[in-house]
Amino acid sequence: GEDVEQSLFLSVREGDSSVINCTYTDSSSTYLYWYKQEPGAGLQLLTYIFSNMDMKQDQRLTVLLNKKDKHLSLRIADTQTGDSAIYFCAEMSGGGATNKLIFGTGTLLAVQP
Amino acid sequence: KAGVTQTPRYLIKTRGQQVTLSCSPISGHRSVSWYQQTPGQGLQFLFEYFSETQRNKGNFPGRFSGRQFSNSRSEMNVSTLELGDSALYLCASSLGIGTGGLEQYFGPGTRLTVT
Repeated sequence: GEDVEQSLFLSVREGDSSVINCTYTDSSSTYLYWYKQEPGAGLQLLTYIFSNMDMKQDQRLTVLLNKKDKHLSLRIADTQTGDSAIYFCAEMSGGGATNKLIFGTGTLLAVQP
Repeated sequence: KAGVTQTPRYLIKTRGQQVTLSCSPISGHRSVSWYQQTPGQGLQFLFEYFSETQRNKGNFPGRFSGRQFSNSRSEMNVSTLELGDSALYLCASSLGIGTGGLEQYFGPGTRLTVT
């Protein structure tokens, strides 16, 4: 079945690294995503990774994928107060037959100055 | 390039009424998907359209419907509104399907309140 789980809350100090974790169950997932949602706003696409990759780095963001354990993580280096938001991981499966995204519950990241 | 636009941004309706929400995708994008976001259920997929055809539909009652026009703009309609339909409705656009659907960009959403 399709299910994506995340921890609900993470608090870090400004300048530290943040690591947000996600587990998924659909072994046919082809792409895995991270989105950011600020209060009162829509979802901002941060990055995504193909399921045959282990890691992807994009500036301050590093995505790690452990396909065996179905575990995805997002590391934010040098976390800033502007990074405070809800972060959603999502999976896309269906082999290209659909653009449907299955989202996790979201992790609220609070950055303390 | 302008992003995804959704109108209206806020809407208050009464139980039993119907509502139509609009989404204009990014210029050149031909695929539009809709999602419902609530505190209890999170983000749930409603529908997906490409070239005026519904490609996929989520697990929602028949009161929820949608369509896509030849200019790729999309509308969704909810009839006989219930209190539980109160939510943020998000629209996402992408270039197309397959690899064209990999990058989906979301609009700011329409906040619907049903009283």
